[in-house]
Amino acid sequence: NAGVTQTPKFQVLKTGQSMTLQCAQDMNHEYMSWYRQDPGMGLRLIHYSVGAGITDQGEVPNGYNVSRSTTEDFPLRLLSAAPSQTSVYFCASASGQGVYSEQYFGPGTRLTVT
Amino acid sequence: GQSLEQPSEVTAVEGAIVQINCTYQTSGFYGLSWYQQHDGGAPTFLSYNALDGLEETGRFSSFLSRSDSYGYLLLQELQMKDSASYFCAVSPGNTPLVFGKGTRLSVIA
Repeated sequence: NAGVTQTPKFQVLKTGQSMTLQCAQDMNHEYMSWYRQDPGMGLRLIHYSVGAGITDQGEVPNGYNVSRSTTEDFPLRLLSAAPSQTSVYFCASASGQGVYSEQYFGPGTRLTVT
Repeated sequence: GQSLEQPSEVTAVEGAIVQINCTYQTSGFYGLSWYQQHDGGAPTFLSYNALDGLEETGRFSSFLSRSDSYGYLLLQELQMKDSASYFCAVSPGNTPLVFGKGTRLSVIA
């Protein structure tokens, strides 16, 4: 199993540009999440999904959209990039009920917005 | 809402024992988790406590006191490779994990 994969690994955007960060998992997990990590801030939840067709907002959703058309994929869209969105983005997945406690993280996408 | 407090930095000597504390305030609680993250890497799961008491996994142990809203991660026989950031996280139950800001552990010779 590849686990959780993310593309791209690195990205530089100009202010105002849009892009999609890709996330896929091959573990048949129902639960998927997007976090951003900034220095000294820990991991903050952006959006999450409890299954195909179901998404919800986390702590810092503004400026981001998600969709979950399949169990495997959970892309994160930046609508109009801003320098405040410079961060490392992690996608994570978990299986079943009560297992939010064990999440599998992808390798991350390091995004810089200039 | 949820909030977690943990020390920002800890330094310990190779071969020693170190304890990383975590206190939390949360509107719902199903458990406390610990994750390890090396520089440039992704967080990886270490342990999970849903009930009071100590859980041991090799050199790592994790403790939870629900009545005190407190837990800790205990690392024994420290090795240089244990230098990393350690995050506590709570499971509110109906949303994904909420993470603390992390404790950077430096193991020195």
